[in-house]
Amino acid sequence: EAEVAQSPRYKITEKSQAVAFWCDPISGHATLYWYRQILGQGPELLVQFQDESVVDDSQLPKDRFSAERLKGVDSTLKIQPAELGDSAMYLCASSQGLAAYNEQFFGPGTRLTVL
Amino acid sequence: AQSVAQPEDQVNVAEGNPLTVKCTYSVSGNPYLFWYVQYPNRGLQFLLKYITGDNLVKGSYGFEAEFNKSQTSFHLKKPSALVSDSALYFCAVRVSGGGGNKLTFGTGTQLKVEL
Repeated sequence: EAEVAQSPRYKITEKSQAVAFWCDPISGHATLYWYRQILGQGPELLVQFQDESVVDDSQLPKDRFSAERLKGVDSTLKIQPAELGDSAMYLCASSQGLAAYNEQFFGPGTRLTVL
Repeated sequence: AQSVAQPEDQVNVAEGNPLTVKCTYSVSGNPYLFWYVQYPNRGLQFLLKYITGDNLVKGSYGFEAEFNKSQTSFHLKKPSALVSDSALYFCAVRVSGGGGNKLTFGTGTQLKVEL
């Protein structure tokens, strides 16, 4: 069964350092999403791609966060510099297309701890 | 703005008994509704969705959900709970088009099934 891959699974860093997360969506899925999930809450969308183009990054803190999907396949989310409040689970998801009725398939996530 | 409410932080049920996890939503327009399940330190797993048509939707692992437009609800149900159903359940809503075309999650309901 096809799955969304993410790495690393866990990341511990000190504040002010840079961190990067990688995601490989299900093959053929044109739409890719990055979410942040704080403990005890539901995921919140950070950025959405359609192929290599950003569709929605209105919730992405652009002073420190960046995301790219250069070839329209895998994607990288970067935080620089990391802050204590960035500690959370970062989830990547993909879907067949932009249509709202398409279910999203999630990867296992990256648990980030900022010390 | 669209929103999802899951009024119960935790639901406890005995194995073999029916279970219900509640969800209500608020949107402008026609909703697409989803249920996801999350096991510890894992990503979200899609269970089922409502797009249109029959108000009773059947999904994975024996789960079903009933869409009620007048009550703006989409409760998750299962006739006979299993201990292995114990997990965190998220309801989510999305509408088609416009600036609200993102998946909005509730805060989650922890389901505990006991022997």
